[in-house]
Amino acid sequence: DGGITQSPKYLFRKEGQNVTLSCEQNLNHDAMYWYRQDPGQGLRLIYYSQIVNDFQKGDIAEGYSVSREKKESFPLTVTSAQKNPTAFYLCASGPTGETQYFGPGTRLLVL
Amino acid sequence: GQQVMQIPQYQHVQEGEDFTTYCNSSTTLSNIQWYKQRPGGHPVFLIQLVKSGEVKKQKRLTFQFGEAKKNSSLHITATQTTDVGTYFCAGDTGRRALTFGSGTRLQVQP
Repeated sequence: DGGITQSPKYLFRKEGQNVTLSCEQNLNHDAMYWYRQDPGQGLRLIYYSQIVNDFQKGDIAEGYSVSREKKESFPLTVTSAQKNPTAFYLCASGPTGETQYFGPGTRLLVL
Repeated sequence: GQQVMQIPQYQHVQEGEDFTTYCNSSTTLSNIQWYKQRPGGHPVFLIQLVKSGEVKKQKRLTFQFGEAKKNSSLHITATQTTDVGTYFCAGDTGRRALTFGSGTRLQVQP
């Protein structure tokens, strides 16, 4: 998992603001994933991408958007439509359908 | 929708006691994976099971995949304080993305 970086580590969002979380991997993995984790809870899938220029909605995609223009990068935008964005956001990558390697995560807080 | 349930939610054991967490899926899984998340950290892959009835061991950890490929378990023998964390199962229900269980948080009292 050392080949996956997420930035920033902490992010503060004001009401009505869009924010973008970065996820980069140098493991040459085809698939990348975004999860949301609330305190004491499991991981819920937001979006995933199995190949460049293609992505699918996960279980809780509303209020989020993604792009996959490069194999190495899968940024997540938390839009103002996401009314309860405070959470721990985890990015992962891996061979499609196989083991996932997680980045260190970004904690998003709403001011 | 696709669901992966995990029990118990939380378990507190004395060091040296055994621990088991159970995972059940509403649908047949093509494979199941187990991850461990230390407090404040991110999930780390432990193992993947693919075959029906498969059993794998890693030192004090034993992983099982049910015959119907709908359930799995993780058993830790003689827990140590280093085992503290949350254990997640995650299954591929056919959409080529994992569905994670809610996790079992393990606390080990020295």
